[in-house]
Amino acid sequence: RKEVEQDPGPFNVPEGATVAFNCTYSNSASQSFFWYRQDCRKEPKLLMSVYSSGNEDGRFTAQLNRASQYISLLIRDSKLSDSATYLCVVKVVNTDKLIFGTGTRLQVFP
Amino acid sequence: DTAVSQTPKYLVTQMGNDKSIKCEQNLGHDTMYWYKQDSKKFLKIMFSYNNKELIINETVPNRFSPKSPDKAHLNLHINSLELGDSAVYFCASSQDWSRVESGYTFGSGTRLTVV
Repeated sequence: RKEVEQDPGPFNVPEGATVAFNCTYSNSASQSFFWYRQDCRKEPKLLMSVYSSGNEDGRFTAQLNRASQYISLLIRDSKLSDSATYLCVVKVVNTDKLIFGTGTRLQVFP
Repeated sequence: DTAVSQTPKYLVTQMGNDKSIKCEQNLGHDTMYWYKQDSKKFLKIMFSYNNKELIINETVPNRFSPKSPDKAHLNLHINSLELGDSAVYFCASSQDWSRVESGYTFGSGTRLTVV
């Protein structure tokens, strides 16, 4: 079983739609959680950290459920520029490595 | 000013050759990493260095040897290249690995193709 699992998609949604991605992680010692965005043939870039109480950054909302070992990302009012692969990432306590999921591809169409 | 820069951006080489990829960060970060992204887009850590000291070595073949002359540089040398080494190699840095919320800043990647 992969340490971080995501639905690979693709999710094809029209502009203005709301879309949600889910992610599960297997290591209960996971301490920090992030969503990264990776555009085609580019490097991953930090989208947002995920906090226990849930957090919002503009149109993006991230949620964490430690009991179920589950992370989510909600994107409201999708824009064409949101088309990318969204990577769920965890860091295990006392380690220095980020563990990446394989990503969920989002395609927003006009 | 590029925060994490890698060279070269593209590298095409024959099997059996030895090649190096260079990485430099101007963020003042203490920790640097090498990640490999394979054809299935899966990103996996290879090495991390904290202040020139090796912290993580993720069962990477001995043909891969990282070198960190100072905390702003982390180079990757690969001996006897194999077809399976073809991938995108990303360098990254973080401010302080012990900080819980510390994310990484990635370089733009080196696309290595072994023929």
